[in-house]
Amino acid sequence: DVKVTQSSRYLVKRTGEKVFLECVQDMDHENMFWYRQDPGLGLRLIYFSYDVKMKEKGDIPEGYSVSREKKERFSLILESASTNQTSMYLCASSPHRTWGGQPQHFGDGTRLSIL
Amino acid sequence: AQTVTQSQPEMSVQEAETVTLSCTYDTSESDYYLFWYKQPPSRQMILVIRQEAYKQQNATENRFSVNFQKAAKSFSLKISDSQLGDAAMYFCAYRSPKGGAGSYQLTFGKGTKLSVIP
Repeated sequence: DVKVTQSSRYLVKRTGEKVFLECVQDMDHENMFWYRQDPGLGLRLIYFSYDVKMKEKGDIPEGYSVSREKKERFSLILESASTNQTSMYLCASSPHRTWGGQPQHFGDGTRLSIL
Repeated sequence: AQTVTQSQPEMSVQEAETVTLSCTYDTSESDYYLFWYKQPPSRQMILVIRQEAYKQQNATENRFSVNFQKAAKSFSLKISDSQLGDAAMYFCAYRSPKGGAGSYQLTFGKGTKLSVIP
């Protein structure tokens, strides 16, 4: 089975801190994604990466950056955390295939609180 | 841009009964993929079922089936013989098959919270 591991289930940080959320997948997937999940808003894509050192902005990239130095690891960075970034963050991965029906595989999520 | 709409924020069903969750989407493409994902409370999101738009036959996975109406851009999920373990958030998602980095994205609906009553 595909395993997508997020480094923390719960995280509490202070306003202005630089925050790192880490995600590792063990299936050699090319594509990795960071989503934010908020009640009533569903999942919104922050950034994704289709290869090492490659990244693309999603729908809500403002206030975030990402890093993908190795294929298995995709980091989400909050440069200067703000209270409106309190949310559940989900990481996902999928293989690079020509068939678009390949599903994304999700981690357990990190519930981040910014105080 | 594609949009996915789940018009039922919450639903409930009696154990062993059948429930249908609604999903509509907006796209100008003729070929695409649709997914239903399940997110149990405090647990990982998992794929329930998927449908390829060029296939007319509705997808089925055990107690889960879809009613795919391409002309109406509707993709509902039917859960038969509901079980307590079916209680979860359910998300409908759309993916374009077009090439390029953007094609790897999923567009999600806002979700439907399903409660199962014993």
